[in-house]
Amino acid sequence: GESVGLHLPTLSVQEGDNSIINCAYSNSASDYFIWYKQESGKGPQFIIDIRSNMDKRQGQRVTVLLNKTVKHLSLQIAATQPGDSAVYFCAENPGTYKYIFGTGTRLKVLA
Amino acid sequence: EPEVTQTPSHQVTQMGQEVILRCVPISNHLYFYWYRQILGQKVEFLVSFYNNEISEKSEIFDDQFSVERPDGSNFTLKIRSTKLEDSAMYFCATIKGTGDGYTFGSGTRLTVV
Repeated sequence: GESVGLHLPTLSVQEGDNSIINCAYSNSASDYFIWYKQESGKGPQFIIDIRSNMDKRQGQRVTVLLNKTVKHLSLQIAATQPGDSAVYFCAENPGTYKYIFGTGTRLKVLA
Repeated sequence: EPEVTQTPSHQVTQMGQEVILRCVPISNHLYFYWYRQILGQKVEFLVSFYNNEISEKSEIFDDQFSVERPDGSNFTLKIRSTKLEDSAMYFCATIKGTGDGYTFGSGTRLTVV
């Protein structure tokens, strides 16, 4: 996909609400997916992963859903907190040793 | 928790100068990567390195770029003659083995003036 330059898609949610961040991946051969969180000035940080033989995986306050039919991933964050404000990237592994990153979504948590 | 360490955190260089970005991978990790992120854009793959050689590289990784692991610990990215468009965050990432997620370093912000 094309990068969106400085205009990342932004999701604004009220503190305490649930957040859903979506990602469309590109390669039907991808069998492993990761969501990363990137805070300003820092490197991407692993949040949760899922393999293609699953359609849902839950972590602490986070859930990842995988729909292979439409090549779609989502990240759900329960009870969003101010510390969740960051840019969130999905990454897919198409069976090679490298990951392909999505464009990213900026999550803004409103107090 | 083991970390990937990158130095320097910020480097400013004049166009045409050479820069070397350094990364200390996690000690038992075998696969090393450099990624680049231009401000506000997505993370882009540059190169992967395994068993002391490049295993894959992207179109971005042209003849101006090189990587090496000279002393078995540091993993370096060299840009021979920097251009303005090389200004970006450069992230080193490592994995222990296939099927693992990356551990990223905190990045080096390169500013070419």
